[in-house]
Order: sequence, then C-alpha cells, then structure tokens
Amino acid sequence: NAGVTQTPKFQVLKTGQSMTLQCAQDMNHEYMSWYRQDPGMGLRLIHYSVGAGITDQGEVPNGYNVSRSTTEDFPLRLLSAAPSQTSVYFCASRSEGYEQYFGPGTRLTVT
Amino acid sequence: GQNIDQPTEMTATEGAIVQINCTYQTSGFNGLFWYQQHAGEAPTFLSYNVLDGLEEKGRFSSFLSRSKGYSYLLLKELQMKDSASYLCAVRGGRRNSGYSTLTFGKGTMLLVSP
Repeated sequence: NAGVTQTPKFQVLKTGQSMTLQCAQDMNHEYMSWYRQDPGMGLRLIHYSVGAGITDQGEVPNGYNVSRSTTEDFPLRLLSAAPSQTSVYFCASRSEGYEQYFGPGTRLTVT
Repeated sequence: GQNIDQPTEMTATEGAIVQINCTYQTSGFNGLFWYQQHAGEAPTFLSYNVLDGLEEKGRFSSFLSRSKGYSYLLLKELQMKDSASYLCAVRGGRRNSGYSTLTFGKGTMLLVSP
C-alpha cells in the first residue's frame, strides 16, 4: 500500500493563479481531510469528506474548493491564489477506526 | 468551538522523562489523540484516549481526565530522535454534516539534548 499520496511536493504560484493539489489514498478509507499548517498556528482543517459525494467545510474554508467523486481521490482547488495561502498542506484519511494517516505534504508559496 | 492549549517548547536531557500537558475545552468529546511530527515531515499517530486513565505503549504513555479536560503525554528514556513537535488533538464538536472532526493544538516543540 502506498498509503496517502500528495502531489506536487513543492509549488510556487503567482497571486491570482489557480491550481489543484492532488491527494489519493489506497486504503479504502471513507474519511478524508485537508489541513494547512502555518508557523505558530498548528494544523487547521480546511475541508473534509465523509464519503464519495459528501464534503463539508472545516475551520478555514475560504478560497478553497473540494470535491469527492471517488473514494480514493480528494483534490483541493485554490481558485485565485493569495499570499495568505502560503502554507504547508496536508491531506489525511481514516476509516471508522481512530488512526488518521497523513500524506507527506505540499509546500506552497504564493508570491 | 474548541480550544486546546499546550506548552510551546520544552527541553529535556537524553535518558530523562518528560511530561507534555494538554488542556482542552470542547463539546461532544469523542477522543483525544497525540501525534509526533519531525521537522519537515507529516504527523504520525502516537496514542488515542477516549476513556479516563493511562494508555501505555512502549516508552510512550498518554493519560486522560475527561472531567478536568486534561491529558498528558509521558515520554520515558528519552532519545535524541524524540526531538520533534508533539501535537495534541481532540475529536468533537459536530459540524453541519453531523460528523465530528479533529482539532489540533499548536504543538509542543521538544528538544532533547545529550
């Protein structure tokens, strides 16, 4: 099993550009989440999904969109990048059990 | 909402014992988690408590008191590789979907010196 994979690992965007951060898991997990991690702020929940076709907003959803068309994939879309979105983004998944598995992260810089 | 507090930094010596405290306020408590995160890496799961008491796993133990909104992570026989950030996280507070989500504290950076 590859676990949770994320692409790209690094990305630099200009203000106003759009892009999609990819996340995939091969563990057949129902629950998937996107977090951002900023210095001094900890991990904050952006969006999450409890199954294919079902998504909901987390703590900091503004400027981001998600969709969940398959169990495996949970992409995060930045519609119009802003410098405030410079961060490290982690995707995570879990089953009904309690352990949440994190992907390796995407380091995004918006100039 | 949910509020989680843990110390920002701690230092300890190799071979010693260190206790990292976490206090929380939440509605609909459904479990407390500890994660370890090395610099530049993803968080990895350490422990889970949903009932009061101590859970032991090798050199690491985690304690929970739901009535006090308090948990601690105990690390014994510290090694240099234990230098990392330790994240306390609480599951609770049902959102619009009816599901509870995981809220993280800001993390405690532990530095282990020789």
